[in-house]
Amino acid sequence: QSALTQPASVSGSPGQSITISCTGTSTDIGVYDYVSWYQQHPGKAPKLMIYDVSNRPSGVSNRFSGSKSGNTASLTISGLQAEDEADYFCSSYTSTSTVLFGGGTKLTVL
Amino acid sequence: QVQLQESGPGLVKPSETLSLTCAVSGYSISSGYYWDWIRQPPGKGLEWIGSISHSGSTYYNPSLKSRVTISVDTSNNQFSLKLSSVTAADTAVYYCARRTTVTTEYFHYWGQGTLVTVSS
Repeated sequence: QSALTQPASVSGSPGQSITISCTGTSTDIGVYDYVSWYQQHPGKAPKLMIYDVSNRPSGVSNRFSGSKSGNTASLTISGLQAEDEADYFCSSYTSTSTVLFGGGTKLTVL
Repeated sequence: QVQLQESGPGLVKPSETLSLTCAVSGYSISSGYYWDWIRQPPGKGLEWIGSISHSGSTYYNPSLKSRVTISVDTSNNQFSLKLSSVTAADTAVYYCARRTTVTTEYFHYWGQGTLVTVSS
């Protein structure tokens, strides 16, 4: 099974919005609404930001939102802040009862 | 508050078996959820290793399945990972995590991670 496909890097200025894509196949993202997104700062464990495509856990800013179309999921961060600079990983459940992660996207706040 | 803590040797020799334990506090493993291992090679992305349910059912990454064993010790509220025949490619930070399942799938609680280096 191959990793989900994410852009290696994205960047934006404070206050702007950015979107990170995550592309899978018809056996993972395309068939389940079980896409989650994780934020990881250097040297830290990943933190859940979005689950089930578009749901935010308690305590996560509403500047973070998620969506899905076909085999591609997306994470949008609006009103970029310096603290948003981190690596972001998508994840999906698969039809073989396994879990796939994306390769990760490094977000730089200019 | 649910907390997970990995422990085990930080250095393993090539061809030997990597063994890690994840101690869980704030929740009884036998009560539910899936308990997973995930790793991250230095500077790279996350890789799902496998999981064990509260009832003992296991699921493994097909690329690692022949070398992985995940087990649970409900009496000590912990679960473990064994990865055999390790090589330098197995050098990574290993995380344990609790996966919420049943009409949903996500990792809400993570351990802090432990770096395991494979080297002679």
